[in-house]
Amino acid sequence: AQKITQTQPGMFVQEKEAVTLDCTYDTSDQSYGLFWYKQPSSGEMIFLIYQGSYDEQNATEGRYSLNFQKARKSANLVISASQLGDSAMYFCAMREPSGGYQKVTFGTGTKLQVIP
Amino acid sequence: NAGVTQTPKFQVLKTGQSMTLQCAQDMNHNSMYWYRQDPGMGLRLIYYSASEGTTDKGEVPNGYNVSRLNKREFSLRLESAAPSQTSVYFCASSEARLVGAGNTIYFGEGSWLTVV
Repeated sequence: AQKITQTQPGMFVQEKEAVTLDCTYDTSDQSYGLFWYKQPSSGEMIFLIYQGSYDEQNATEGRYSLNFQKARKSANLVISASQLGDSAMYFCAMREPSGGYQKVTFGTGTKLQVIP
Repeated sequence: NAGVTQTPKFQVLKTGQSMTLQCAQDMNHNSMYWYRQDPGMGLRLIYYSASEGTTDKGEVPNGYNVSRLNKREFSLRLESAAPSQTSVYFCASSEARLVGAGNTIYFGEGSWLTVV
């Protein structure tokens, strides 16, 4: 079974508008973490934002915020005021316990294109 | 700051040849990972090493072997390369502890491997 599900293969957004990228996860553990990464066409993986399972507040980092709904097991990324440079692949990932340490798995990604 | 360094960056192999992808991190992280990235498949975990001396299979371990040489280095070996192993390979590392764990996974720049 997929641990991380991103149901939007591709998304378009108008420049300066907000966009939400969906992510749902599956775990039976109480302690876990959720990440979002950006991968531009150049290929590097850029860390955007992190949410711990015990964090009560939604994480925010500049124009990025994570809409964490624990009961629904969703961790959607919201990008406000989209910029052309936001065009990239976006990956959701989950860190979960594995033998006392952590294992990290990724979703299949969402390709975001920002339209001028 | 070197972070995570992986070599080689590009490699072309003939079917049946063997090769080793090298990865080293200088952040004193316990956990290291190897992922492959294929179009439409996102990042899939091949193997991971939660700590020095341990390795575990991920989602797609067949056709690969790994060695955690020491805390810094984690190599991925293809014993008999197949065209299906044509992919981009990423090495990554992170802090291992669950309580108070770091909130970032650090990636190498990727290795583009083509098997013909």
